[in-house]
Amino acid sequence: AQSVTQLDSHVSVSEGTPVLLRCNYSSSYSPSLFWYVQHPNKGLQLLLKYTSAATLVKGINGFEAEFKKSETSFHLTKPSAHMSDAAEYFCVVSDKGGNTGKLIFGQGTTLQVKP
Amino acid sequence: GAGVSQSPSNKVTEKGKDVELRCDPISGHTALYWYRQSLGQGLEFLIYFQGNSAPDKSGLPSDRFSAERTGGSVSTLTIQRTQQEDSAVYLCASSLELAGALNGEQYFGPGTRLTVT
Repeated sequence: AQSVTQLDSHVSVSEGTPVLLRCNYSSSYSPSLFWYVQHPNKGLQLLLKYTSAATLVKGINGFEAEFKKSETSFHLTKPSAHMSDAAEYFCVVSDKGGNTGKLIFGQGTTLQVKP
Repeated sequence: GAGVSQSPSNKVTEKGKDVELRCDPISGHTALYWYRQSLGQGLEFLIYFQGNSAPDKSGLPSDRFSAERTGGSVSTLTIQRTQQEDSAVYLCASSLELAGALNGEQYFGPGTRLTVT
């Protein structure tokens, strides 16, 4: 069965410093992986996706993630945090390699950005 | 272009009543999904549709929950005899193809916040 673990429930950084949100996955199949962001009182927005093409994936707002099969990780990074990045971030894996359409969400990481 | 829309945005109902939640997907998206986001429970998959067909209903929490999709477009999620534990935000998403495919990314609606008193 597929699963995803976000290693930190809460991350706090200062504005202008790097962001690292950690995610490990478990999948019996070749996984498709996503990062979604949810700002307060707003809907979920797709940041980036990995679907077996390039292992380094670039997303919106300067975020990127690297798929590392040997480490079963898909960590999200950004070189310099902005106040507007404060939100809830979800690492997501598609079930059974994407054949069923079901997404499995991690528990989420709350990113706090301090001025 | 219009995104995924859901109605109502908020619904307060008394325990035991039935509720119907509606989702309008992005035009042309063949796949549609329902999730539930509860405080402390994270995001939980409920059901998905490929066209009008729902191949996997195993995520529905109980037989009080049902969903249908007509015309490959609008979907309704119905909860019968609501219970307090049904209180949550119900999210709908749609995608051009199934998740994992090249165009499988899911676009989410704003959600319906259901409160059962």
